[in-house]
Amino acid sequence: KAGVTQTPRYLIKTRGQQVTLSCSPISGHRSVSWYQQTPGQGLQFLFEYFSETQRNKGNFPGRFSGRQFSNSRSEMNVSTLELGDSALYLCASSLNEANEQFFGPGTRLTVL
Amino acid sequence: AQKITQTQPGMFVQEKEAVTLDCTYDTSDQSYGLFWYKQPSSGEMIFLIYQGSYDEQNATEGRYSLNFQKARKSANLVISASQLGDSAMYFCAMTSFQGAQKLVFGQGTRLTINP
Repeated sequence: KAGVTQTPRYLIKTRGQQVTLSCSPISGHRSVSWYQQTPGQGLQFLFEYFSETQRNKGNFPGRFSGRQFSNSRSEMNVSTLELGDSALYLCASSLNEANEQFFGPGTRLTVL
Repeated sequence: AQKITQTQPGMFVQEKEAVTLDCTYDTSDQSYGLFWYKQPSSGEMIFLIYQGSYDEQNATEGRYSLNFQKARKSANLVISASQLGDSAMYFCAMTSFQGAQKLVFGQGTRLTINP
């Protein structure tokens, strides 16, 4: 069974631009979560989607948004990029809320 | 609110020795899950082991075991017979089963296995 895939793996953007990251969960998994990892703040929860509905959102500004499609694939978007948005963005999928989350390889975003 | 504390920023262990990585947690929820993940330098988070709050036996997965002490709110990871490939960052995390899926992570422990 294929694991969680994330595209692109690396991304370089400039301040003010916007970016869209994609995540394909493990087949059959309906829950997709996104996390931001930075050296200063560690791993922080962004949001979680289940069956196309956002069920939970972390403490991030409205510039961070996401969505989930009917095939469970998810995208997250960051608008008006700031230098502090440079991070590793990890996507994780699980069968439901009672199961372990499996992570993808991450997208490393650099904002210049 | 949930909180995970990992008090060991770094650990150095000789190959083939056993190692214990500490994790304490704080939550007011009755139903929750505890996880350990390994993150090599490549960045990917690798799931290692899971313990549910109502599980009476400690979880084990191959060389990994979780020493769960509910009254002390600790969930230490034990790696037996460490290998060079075990060198990585290790994160303890938890989630509540009341509500949406959301992992809360500790700050991590960087484990280095010396030959």
